[in-house]
Amino acid sequence: RKEVEQDPGPFNVPEGATVAFNCTYSNSASQSFFWYRQDCRKEPKLLMSVYSSGNEDGRFTAQLNRASQYISLLIRDSKLSDSATYLCVVRAGGYQKVTFGIGTKLQVIP
Amino acid sequence: EAGVTQFPSHSVIEKGQTVTLRCDPISGHDNLYWYRRVMGKEIKFLLHFVKESKQDESGMPNNRFLAERTGGTYSTLKVQPAELEDSGVYFCASSQETGSAYEQYFGPGTRLTVT
Repeated sequence: RKEVEQDPGPFNVPEGATVAFNCTYSNSASQSFFWYRQDCRKEPKLLMSVYSSGNEDGRFTAQLNRASQYISLLIRDSKLSDSATYLCVVRAGGYQKVTFGIGTKLQVIP
Repeated sequence: EAGVTQFPSHSVIEKGQTVTLRCDPISGHDNLYWYRRVMGKEIKFLLHFVKESKQDESGMPNNRFLAERTGGTYSTLKVQPAELEDSGVYFCASSQETGSAYEQYFGPGTRLTVT
């Protein structure tokens, strides 16, 4: 079983739609959680950290369920510019070592 | 502020040759990381420097890979001799060491092709 599992997609959604991604992690001792965005042939960039209480940044909402060991990312009112791969990243203790999921590809269609 | 830079952006070498990748972190970032993404796979951690010291090198595939960070500034990752399975994109990232706040800034990557 992979340490961090994501559905690779692709998710094809129309502009304006709401889309949600989930990510599960296997290490119950994991401490920190993040969503990164990666555009084609570019470097990953931090989209948002995920806090226990859930957090929102504009159209993006991230939630953490420690009991079920999953993280979610909700994107509302999808824009064409949201098309990218969304990487789930987990830090499982230690000294800032992180584990990446394979990423979920989102394609927003006009 | 300049971001993380990596050189070269692309490298094509033959099996058995040597390649050295360079990473310049964001100025003032003590933490420097190397990652690799093989086609179709997840981004995998290779190692982590704190200043010039190797904090964690558990992700290094084998002894053909050597990373250095002399002086705690830029870092190099040498692959010698290169094998076909070493092909992939090598990312470098850096971060400040700040309490619970944590963000790694990634460089654009070096795309290595071993033929």
